[in-house]
Amino acid sequence: GQSLEQPSEVTAVEGAIVQINCTYQTSGFYGLSWYQQHDGGAPTFLSYNALDGLEETGRFSSFLSRSDSYGYLLLQELQMKDSASYFCAVRMDSSYKLIFGSGTRLLVRP
Amino acid sequence: EAEVAQSPRYKITEKSQAVAFWCDPISGHATLYWYRQILGQGPELLVQFQDESVVDDSQLPKDRFSAERLKGVDSTLKIQPAELGDSAMYLCASSSGGAAQETQYFGPGTRLLVL
Repeated sequence: GQSLEQPSEVTAVEGAIVQINCTYQTSGFYGLSWYQQHDGGAPTFLSYNALDGLEETGRFSSFLSRSDSYGYLLLQELQMKDSASYFCAVRMDSSYKLIFGSGTRLLVRP
Repeated sequence: EAEVAQSPRYKITEKSQAVAFWCDPISGHATLYWYRQILGQGPELLVQFQDESVVDDSQLPKDRFSAERLKGVDSTLKIQPAELGDSAMYLCASSSGGAAQETQYFGPGTRLLVL
């Protein structure tokens, strides 16, 4: 079967930096995506990594190591509004279908 | 800004009844996805359409679930009969073609409660 592992909860202080890890075991791999979901809201796309390395988009960065089957999402200068669930998702094949992890609930404290 | 539309937003039904959910993707998006999300878990793909054709429905419980996208635009997901375990959020997403296809845009979802 396919599996994605990410921590269930992370707590951090406003203004700090937090890293959310994701390890995966899938039968195919084209790329790793990250989505943010606020309580009661819809998932929104944050990033997609197909190649090894770090991709930066404003306060958010995403990293991928294909050889280690590992990626992470880095959130800098945390704000209260960053409190949400963060999902990693693997694109397994050319169809663009995604397999989602169970999510990491991030709580940002004042 | 264009958005994915879904209706209804909430649905309460009794087990053994039929329910239907509607999704209108962002205009021009050829790929449409239906997901089910149980509270505290990630979305699980039920069915993927490319235009009006089903690309993947391997996780769709076909004995009770059906999905269609007749004209390759909006889509309907139906459950008949509903069971208690179907209580979840049903999310629709769409994506455009080419290199942008890795970005899926999600609608607000339909929260289903089966009593």
